[in-house]
Amino acid sequence: GAVVSQHPSWVICKSGTSVKIECRSLDFQATTMFWYRQFPKQSLMLMATSNEGSKATYEQGVEKDKFLINHASLTLSTLTVTSAHPEDSSFYICSAFGSNQPQHFGDGTRLSIL
Amino acid sequence: QKEVEQDPGPLSVPEGAIVSLNCTYSNSAFQYFMWYRQYSRKGPELLMYTYSSGNKEDGRFTAQVDKSSKYISLFIRDSQPSDSATYLCAMRKQGAQKLVFGQGTRLTINP
Repeated sequence: GAVVSQHPSWVICKSGTSVKIECRSLDFQATTMFWYRQFPKQSLMLMATSNEGSKATYEQGVEKDKFLINHASLTLSTLTVTSAHPEDSSFYICSAFGSNQPQHFGDGTRLSIL
Repeated sequence: QKEVEQDPGPLSVPEGAIVSLNCTYSNSAFQYFMWYRQYSRKGPELLMYTYSSGNKEDGRFTAQVDKSSKYISLFIRDSQPSDSATYLCAMRKQGAQKLVFGQGTRLTINP
């Protein structure tokens, strides 16, 4: 079946640093990728929609300068959390959507900011 | 009122039982319906994907969609401890890409 790879799976870093998370669709071309944030025992919260070759569309309340998204190819999107602070600690999940495909999710990245 | 309602549980059943998970929704424009399984600290895994009304079976899993009642179900037969996870229903409109999720139901299968 379709596979979406997300890397890293867990990252711990100091406050003020920037962290990049990669999301790759391994066996289909993802015209659209999504980035979600999930808090403990809650459902997924959509942060932004990323289309290949164009600017990402952010959901209301999500700071686009804090969460930089790049979708340079049909198989790769990246999320960079800039100047991360403890309140940015969370579980971040990407998903990929291609023609005739349902959304498939990566395994998530656990981000801990000290 | 949320567009998609799902009982968060927790739901605890003995091994071998039949499990029924449900979601209701308010927007009749939804056409595609999905069930995802999410283990702790993992991303959601697609279990079932259906279009419009009807039933779909895959091994021990059966998905049902009743658009007239705006109600979808996932049945798990011969439940196993490895089925213990959070189950998320999700749906989207024709031509749309964004999914609308239920809150997720935490399921525990007791040996």
